[in-house]
Amino acid sequence: EVQLVESGGGLVQPGGSLRLSCAASGFTFSSYWMHWVRQAPGKGLVWVSRINSDGITTNYADSVKGRFTISSDTAENTLYLQMDSLRADDTAVYYCARSGQRDSRFDYWGQGTLVTVSS
Amino acid sequence: DIQMTQSPSTLSASIGDRVTITCRASQSISSWLAWYQQKPGKAPKFLIYKSSTLQSGVSSRFSGSGSGTEFTLTISSLQFDDFATYYCQQYNSYPITFGQGTRLEIK
Repeated sequence: EVQLVESGGGLVQPGGSLRLSCAASGFTFSSYWMHWVRQAPGKGLVWVSRINSDGITTNYADSVKGRFTISSDTAENTLYLQMDSLRADDTAVYYCARSGQRDSRFDYWGQGTLVTVSS
Repeated sequence: DIQMTQSPSTLSASIGDRVTITCRASQSISSWLAWYQQKPGKAPKFLIYKSSTLQSGVSSRFSGSGSGTEFTLTISSLQFDDFATYYCQQYNSYPITFGQGTRLEIK
C-alpha cells in the first residue's frame, strides 16, 4: 500500500526556517517524481515544487524560488522541503504528492502538515 | 503561467441529481487535465486524469470530458459522499496550476 507521511510542521516566526519531511513507503521511491503542494487556510491548492526521480532536477513556484529547497534521499525513501525566510503568506497545510515520470498528475497524497508563520 | 478557472464556485444540489462542473484553461492544455475531490481536513483524492480517464477504484458516477481549453466533470446521481470541493489541475506545463475549486453542497 502506497503511503506518504509528512512531518515537521509547526509554528515559526517570520524570517525563520523549517524543514518538512515526507516518508514514502509501498512503492519504488526512485521511480517517481515527488512534489509539494500547499493549501492556505480556507483557500485552494497551490503547487510549490517538484523533484525528478534523478533527485537532481527541480522546479519551483515563483513565490518560493530562492527561499525553499526540495530534496530527496532515495536510501531513506524520504522527500524534504527546506523552507527559509518564511513569511506570513507561507502559512498553509503542506502536502507531499507523487506523480509518474511522464506526466504530473498526483495519484497519491500525504495527509499534510500545517506550517504557521506568525510572531 | 496557465490560469485555470472553474465554474461555478459553489453548486447546490440534491441527492440523486446530475451535476456538471466546468474548468477553463487560459491556453490550450490538450487533454492534460486532472480532477480531485477534497473533503474538509483531508487530502485531495485523485479522480480523473487525461481529461476523461477514471482512476482505478473511482465510482463510474464520475466522468470527465473536454480538450484544449474547456473541460467538464460530471457526477451522475449524486450520493451523500459526493458533497465536497472539486479541483481541476493542468499538467501540460510548469508551473502546475489548479482551479480555485468548486464547493458542492447539499440543497
